[in-house]
Amino acid sequence: AQSVTQPDIHITVSEGASLELRCNYSYGATPYLFWYVQSPGQGLQLLLKYFSGDTLVQGIKGFEAEFKRSQSSFNLRKPSVHWSDAAEYFCAVGAGYGGSQGNLIFGKGTKLSVKP
Amino acid sequence: SQTIHQWPATLVQPVGSPLSLECTVEGTSNPNLYWYRQAAGRGLQLLFYSVGIGQISSEVPQNLSASRPQDRQFILSSKKLLLSDSGFYLCAWSRQGGETQYFGPGTRLLVL
Repeated sequence: AQSVTQPDIHITVSEGASLELRCNYSYGATPYLFWYVQSPGQGLQLLLKYFSGDTLVQGIKGFEAEFKRSQSSFNLRKPSVHWSDAAEYFCAVGAGYGGSQGNLIFGKGTKLSVKP
Repeated sequence: SQTIHQWPATLVQPVGSPLSLECTVEGTSNPNLYWYRQAAGRGLQLLFYSVGIGQISSEVPQNLSASRPQDRQFILSSKKLLLSDSGFYLCAWSRQGGETQYFGPGTRLLVL
């Protein structure tokens, strides 16, 4: 069965420091992978996605993620964190079976706090 | 461009009362629609999805039901709310055959 693990429940970084949020997935074939961000009391906003091709994908707000098949990982990175990046981040995997279903499996999220 | 709306934004209901949450999508046709519940520390749980009018699939047995009376309208209902129904409810849409889901602003439900 598909699953997504985000090992870090809560991470605190200083403003201006680099960030890496970890995501590991379990899926038999090549997955579709996503990162979403959620500010308190808000819906989820898509940051970036990987379907195929270049394993380093660029997203909005200066985020990037790298797909590593050998490690079953899709870690999210940002070189310099801003205070406005404080939020909860969710990794998700899609079955990608090309049908009309397109269901996603989400990790439990990593809450990011930013110190001034 | 496409937009997704949810209402109400916040709802406080007594145990045993009925529930109706609404989600509508604009700017697209024949979308896939999804209802998720988000509880603290538990991530997102898919409750229902729909690939067309009147077509509803349930992912987990529960006190809730869903309906899709129109192409771009998705309703989450309950006849009698339980305390455990409290949470943050998110609606999402995707294109038919598409993998990317786009989320609404959510409804915060508190059952007392």
